[in-house]
Amino acid sequence: DVKVTQSSRYLVKRTGEKVFLECVQDMDHENMFWYRQDPGLGLRLIYFSYDVKMKEKGDIPEGYSVSREKKERFSLILESASTNQTSMYLCASSQRTLSYNEQFFGPGTRLTVL
Amino acid sequence: LAKTTQPISMDSYEGQEVNITCSHNNIATNDYITWYQQFPSQGPRFIIQGYKTKVTNEVASLFIPADRKSSTLSLPRVSLSDTAVYYCLVGGLRTGGFKTIFGAGTRLFVKA
Repeated sequence: DVKVTQSSRYLVKRTGEKVFLECVQDMDHENMFWYRQDPGLGLRLIYFSYDVKMKEKGDIPEGYSVSREKKERFSLILESASTNQTSMYLCASSQRTLSYNEQFFGPGTRLTVL
Repeated sequence: LAKTTQPISMDSYEGQEVNITCSHNNIATNDYITWYQQFPSQGPRFIIQGYKTKVTNEVASLFIPADRKSSTLSLPRVSLSDTAVYYCLVGGLRTGGFKTIFGAGTRLFVKA
């Protein structure tokens, strides 16, 4: 059974802290994604990686960075957390197909920034 | 940039067929249309994907008209366990990179 795991289900941090969210997939997928999900806004793509050490900005990359040193692991970094980054963060992975859109999601990390 | 629009919520009864339509007027040539289902406290789960015409799998059908500016997810004979949020996603490889646009989601409530 395919699996995407995220390091924490719930996280509480303070404004200005550096925050690391980790995601691991066991499907040998080339693509990995980070989204944030907010009520009424659906899912918005933060960053996308199509290979080790490769990354592309999504729709809302400001205030975030990512790291992909190994194929199975994709990290999202909040350099200096702010209250407007309080959200649900979802990681996903997919094979490198024409569509890229059959994505497998992790359970999410609910981040609260105080 | 393409935007997807779908109804905020829908109600249905067990055993009925439910159709949820997503509007995506600015869909690009390389974009695929994908639908996801999400339960509370879980990540979205892939339901079905298509490029044009009709696609059917064991859980749903996806209807895409020739102009591809909209798509309709059809759930046959829904049950209480189909109560969830359904997201339409449009995206694919474009000049300049990969783009993916999720709709805001349709909350489906199935009543007994």
